[in-house]
Amino acid sequence: GAVVSQHPSWVICKSGTSVKIECRSLDFQATTMFWYRQFPKQSLMLMATSNEGSKATYEQGVEKDKFLINHASLTLSTLTVTSAHPEDSSFYICSARGTDDQPQHFGDGTRLSIL
Amino acid sequence: GESVGLHLPTLSVQEGDNSIINCAYSNSASDYFIWYKQESGKGPQFIIDIRSNMDKRQGQRVTVLLNKTVKHLSLQIAATQPGDSAVYFCADAFSGTYKYIFGTGTRLKVLA
Repeated sequence: GAVVSQHPSWVICKSGTSVKIECRSLDFQATTMFWYRQFPKQSLMLMATSNEGSKATYEQGVEKDKFLINHASLTLSTLTVTSAHPEDSSFYICSARGTDDQPQHFGDGTRLSIL
Repeated sequence: GESVGLHLPTLSVQEGDNSIINCAYSNSASDYFIWYKQESGKGPQFIIDIRSNMDKRQGQRVTVLLNKTVKHLSLQIAATQPGDSAVYFCADAFSGTYKYIFGTGTRLKVLA
């Protein structure tokens, strides 16, 4: 149980394009989803918290117009990296949880490479 | 956890031995603690969690110990196997927000 699917797993695109990443909870309803960014050999840094049906809460320093988050249903959240540039290249990981006191379960991440 | 930069500590353990991975956290208000295992190119996988009203919790081959006095968390893996090789992250959270703070991570290498 508690499977989170993230798609795509790898994307390479040109500078200036926008990229959408999907995060789905497959066997539970996720009231809250989280988006993280991870640099090589580093820990996970929380970018934003997404609650179904409401606006995402962004961490300090994360541009909300750059990283658009939509959480339209209890099983799907999307992260769109708008006008991506090489410095946006990273490993993006989503997580989801059911109730507040349940652990977060993570997707397998999306490796984003901007040329 | 405390994320302190680019250095990733490594623990090398002989196959069959027990492993102990340590973690420090800084927020005295944290009351929920979790361990994750991350294999290369994948997302973190939940291992075990513990709440602040406990100081020990056991799972299958794993034990988490919590010392709130010194804000320290450890993960013990019994009879370490090659499949245990991965990076292990601790995370702490306050039940008011359940927003995780991840530690730096420790790479576990299992030697045959």
